[in-house]
Amino acid sequence: GQQLNQSPQSMFIQEGEDVSMNCTSSSIFNTWLWYKQEPGEGPVLLIALYKAGELTSNGRLTAQFGITRKDSFLNISASIPSDVGIYFCAGQLRSNSGYALNFGKGTSLLVTP
Amino acid sequence: NAGVTQTPKFRILKIGQSMTLQCAQDMNHNYMYWYRQDPGMGLKLIYYSVGAGITDKGEVPNGYNVSRSTTEDFPLRLELAAPSQTSVYFCASSYSNLAVDTQYFGPGTRLTVL
Repeated sequence: GQQLNQSPQSMFIQEGEDVSMNCTSSSIFNTWLWYKQEPGEGPVLLIALYKAGELTSNGRLTAQFGITRKDSFLNISASIPSDVGIYFCAGQLRSNSGYALNFGKGTSLLVTP
Repeated sequence: NAGVTQTPKFRILKIGQSMTLQCAQDMNHNYMYWYRQDPGMGLKLIYYSVGAGITDKGEVPNGYNVSRSTTEDFPLRLELAAPSQTSVYFCASSYSNLAVDTQYFGPGTRLTVL
């Protein structure tokens, strides 16, 4: 699989602060996705990006598909305690043989009240 | 809809034992996937299936086998468990139409091999 570099590895912030994390790759992808995983659960899709340059919002979350197709960022505005979890970026190549996701190692987010 | 379901939730195996991890989806998705997640790492693809009767290897297939006899079910088989297979296993499914493929994940099976 393709190597994705996700940063930062972890963040410890206060409630109300904004959060920014990003993901870069040495290869291009057709799709970038951002997932959130809570302890003992599977990843849950937050935002999917399908076109280079696309900027998409989902409530307090905003993500962009980099123009080079090799990077993406996720911003969370006005963080709240329930934002705690591990956020994963995933790049996807669409082909007739499958749509496997290549995951970053995750950003662990802790939010204090 | 129940979405993607996995059983068991936890399992401990001895080295050399075999077991089958079950995965089922009720969303009529054509694609199904098995991933493993090791501590501090992202998920890595083990096997995937684009439809009933069709399976293919992912990034880390050694030590595993799969079958897809129905659209709904995609079991993962470990024949000779090894400590390196200690991990959390996630099944996912999606409906793919060459334009969009959004994968939905099950809750995972935590496997320990001693």
